[in-house]
Amino acid sequence: DVKVTQSSRYLVKRTGEKVFLECVQDMDHENMFWYRQDPGLGLRLIYFSYDVKMKEKGDIPEGYSVSREKKERFSLILESASTNQTSMYLCASSLYYEKLFFGSGTQLSVL
Amino acid sequence: SQQGEEDPQALSIQEGENATMNCSYKTSINNLQWYRQNSGRGLVHLILIRSNEREKHSGRLRVTLDTSKKSSSLLITASRAADTASYFCATDGTGNQFYFGTGTSLTVIP
Repeated sequence: DVKVTQSSRYLVKRTGEKVFLECVQDMDHENMFWYRQDPGLGLRLIYFSYDVKMKEKGDIPEGYSVSREKKERFSLILESASTNQTSMYLCASSLYYEKLFFGSGTQLSVL
Repeated sequence: SQQGEEDPQALSIQEGENATMNCSYKTSINNLQWYRQNSGRGLVHLILIRSNEREKHSGRLRVTLDTSKKSSSLLITASRAADTASYFCATDGTGNQFYFGTGTSLTVIP
């Protein structure tokens, strides 16, 4: 069965820390996405990648970077975490820019 | 923003009733999708409708699309308590991105 795995379900970090959120998919999908989800704001795209080492900015890339060294893994990096980055982070993958497969999400709290 | 909007924001119905939620979007699309999210979890794909389709069915789900009005509706028939979740529409926009609405929170009362 299709699977997108996010490394942590819950994460608590301090302001200023460098934070890595990992996402792995086992479907050989070309496209991978990072969203953040906040109450009342829905899902907002941070970055997406359509191939290894390729990335595109989404709607809210500020304060984030990404890495895709292997096809199955897409990492989201918070260079210096801030309290306004407290959120639910969702990773997703897709084959033909149609159906998205989501991970279970990482609830990040920055204190 | 190309983000869509769902309406209503929240819906509460009795088990066995039908639930209808709507989605409006702003730009031309190739397809529109509906997703479901149980509390605190990831989203699960429910159904996709292409821009040249007007209606699609999948089990107890019925989706309609009106591209002239830039709107879609999701109907869940004979609702069950297990249908309690948030429902999101998503459209494909420019740059190979997906744009999600803010969601409709559905509560089905047993």
